[in-house]
Amino acid sequence: GQQVMQIPQYQHVQEGEDFTTYCNSSTTLSNIQWYKQRPGGHPVFLIQLVKSGEVKKQKRLTFQFGEAKKNSSLHITATQTTDVGTYFCAGPESNYQLIWGAGTKLIIKP
Amino acid sequence: DAGVIQSPRHEVTEMGQEVTLRCKPISGHNSLFWYRQTMMRGLELLIYFNNNVPIDDSGMPEDRFSAKMPNASFSTLKIQPSEPRDSAVYFCASTRDRGLGQPQHFGDGTRLSIL
Repeated sequence: GQQVMQIPQYQHVQEGEDFTTYCNSSTTLSNIQWYKQRPGGHPVFLIQLVKSGEVKKQKRLTFQFGEAKKNSSLHITATQTTDVGTYFCAGPESNYQLIWGAGTKLIIKP
Repeated sequence: DAGVIQSPRHEVTEMGQEVTLRCKPISGHNSLFWYRQTMMRGLELLIYFNNNVPIDDSGMPEDRFSAKMPNASFSTLKIQPSEPRDSAVYFCASTRDRGLGQPQHFGDGTRLSIL
């Protein structure tokens, strides 16, 4: 079946360093969504990418969708403590179901 | 606007007891999802309702789990009898439509511990 692989599982960074998480699908995706889950919280929708090669920015966050629409990335520039949490990508499997990546946990080193 | 509302936020009970989790989706949203999240298995879809009708319950672990949506503003997930391996965070999420690309809006979740 369709799979969405997300790496790395964890990333430890010093505050101010950059962070990147990568998402790869076994099949071409019509779109991809990104969510953030704070510790003890619930997933919160960040953005959706639809077009091949699309790049979208939200302040220090840059989201990319690959040309083949099978991979995506989220890059955070100059991380802050407020960025701590787990970032998930999710791609549609059907007209309602999302296939979720395992998430990348961003940990800020003290 | 109020988001997805789940209750209770926390539930601790002994194995064998019945557990009922509740969800109120965002008004106007006609798709509702129940998820379970654990460290080992991540986020798993348990059941999906559209217009109050269960469309896909293939993720429901076993017969001990049941879900209902009697109207557009209320859904329940019931576990009877509960077992320690059911301990997890259970999320309810809703979307405006079943179409692709609709962001899912999650409730705060119910943190369930079965002793």
